[in-house]
Amino acid sequence: AQRVTQPEKLLSVFKGAPVELKCNYSYSGSPELFWYVQYSRQRLQLLLRHISRESIKGFTADLNKGETSFHLKKPFAQEEDSAMYYCALSAVGDDKIIFGKGTRLHILP
Amino acid sequence: GAGVSQSPRYKVAKRGQDVALRCDPISGHVSLFWYQQALGQGPEFLTYFQNEAQLDKSGLPSDRFFAERPEGSVSTLKIQRTQQEDSAVYLCASSLGTGDYEQYFGPGTRLTVT
Repeated sequence: AQRVTQPEKLLSVFKGAPVELKCNYSYSGSPELFWYVQYSRQRLQLLLRHISRESIKGFTADLNKGETSFHLKKPFAQEEDSAMYYCALSAVGDDKIIFGKGTRLHILP
Repeated sequence: GAGVSQSPRYKVAKRGQDVALRCDPISGHVSLFWYQQALGQGPEFLTYFQNEAQLDKSGLPSDRFFAERPEGSVSTLKIQRTQQEDSAVYLCASSLGTGDYEQYFGPGTRLTVT
């Protein structure tokens, strides 16, 4: 079965410190992996996807097939990064998205 | 342009009532998805349309849940005989096509069943 696990419900990080949001997945094939973000009082939006290999707002995520992980990283946290972050996957040939439970990132001043 | 819109934004229903939730996708978007997000959880897939065809309804939790998109644009998610466990935020998303297209989410409808 396809599953996404985000082990941390809440992560508090000081401004300027590095951030790593953990994500592990379970899928027998080659999934497409995403990170979605929801800022306070805003709608859910795509942050980045592994196939694009982009850095968005300073965030990057590398797909590690051996460890089935897709951790989200940023070297220097900013206060505006405070939000709810969801790791997600979709299977090849399937458009539905399977989400993890989310991690709330709180950047401390 | 306008994003995905959903109405109502909030709905309170007494247990046993029927409710209808509406989604207006981005104009021209072929694919439309419904997700259910319970408190403290991530969104969970309910059903998916490509134009007016419902291609996947594997996530609908019971036969009390029904979705339609008769003209390939606006979609309605109907829940009959609501139960307390139906309380959640219902999210709608649309995308330009199938496959490698970003899904754009609406603001959600928060349903509370009392």
